[in-house]
Amino acid sequence: GAGVSQTPSNKVTEKGKYVELRCDPISGHTALYWYRQSLGQGPEFLIYFQGTGAADDSGLPNDRFFAVRPEGSVSTLKIQRTERGDSAMYLCASSLSLADNEQFFGPGTRLTVL
Amino acid sequence: DQQVKQNSPSLSVQEGRISILNCDYTNSMFDYFLWYKKYPAEGPTFLISISSIKDKNEDGRFTVFLNKSAKHLSLHIVPSQPGDSAVYFCAARAPMYSGGGADGLTFGKGTHLIIQP
Repeated sequence: GAGVSQTPSNKVTEKGKYVELRCDPISGHTALYWYRQSLGQGPEFLIYFQGTGAADDSGLPNDRFFAVRPEGSVSTLKIQRTERGDSAMYLCASSLSLADNEQFFGPGTRLTVL
Repeated sequence: DQQVKQNSPSLSVQEGRISILNCDYTNSMFDYFLWYKKYPAEGPTFLISISSIKDKNEDGRFTVFLNKSAKHLSLHIVPSQPGDSAVYFCAARAPMYSGGGADGLTFGKGTHLIIQP
């Protein structure tokens, strides 16, 4: 079956703009995670959803970052007033449930803020 | 404060030999550990995992060893093949809602494994 998909694959924006990054998890997976990976670092946890609700958003760096998953499937990560420091690879992962430790990752969205 | 540490940014191994990738952790609440492999321009791919109730898990050419008292795990690949060249990430998770950390995975910085012919 299809894996986790993310769109766009690349996003270039200007400082101060608003961006939305989309994640389509594996069908039937109820848990969805967002991570951010900066150059030379491992992925860093941002937020995860069980169904429609954000179960843990402790990794979001500040209130410019927000994520939704209104129907319990597709999720959108929203970044307001982007800053150059937001430039990174944004990875989405899904798992069958929260109890499943194995997470399947998408290819990521490379965000560049000029 | 890095809770999962991979102290070798890169490792070069000859084809056919054993590759050993190391990982240390500081959070004693972690009870599940995973290794992911990442090629350029792709997302991480799950490789192998181990629960803290075990000290070894094997899957084909890949074996993960866990030493809880030392808070250390290692990934052994034998024999190493050219297709194994990639960045390998060690990741860990605390029990859900345990207060042991965010409920997502905590990753190390990765080790770039290069298999030389």
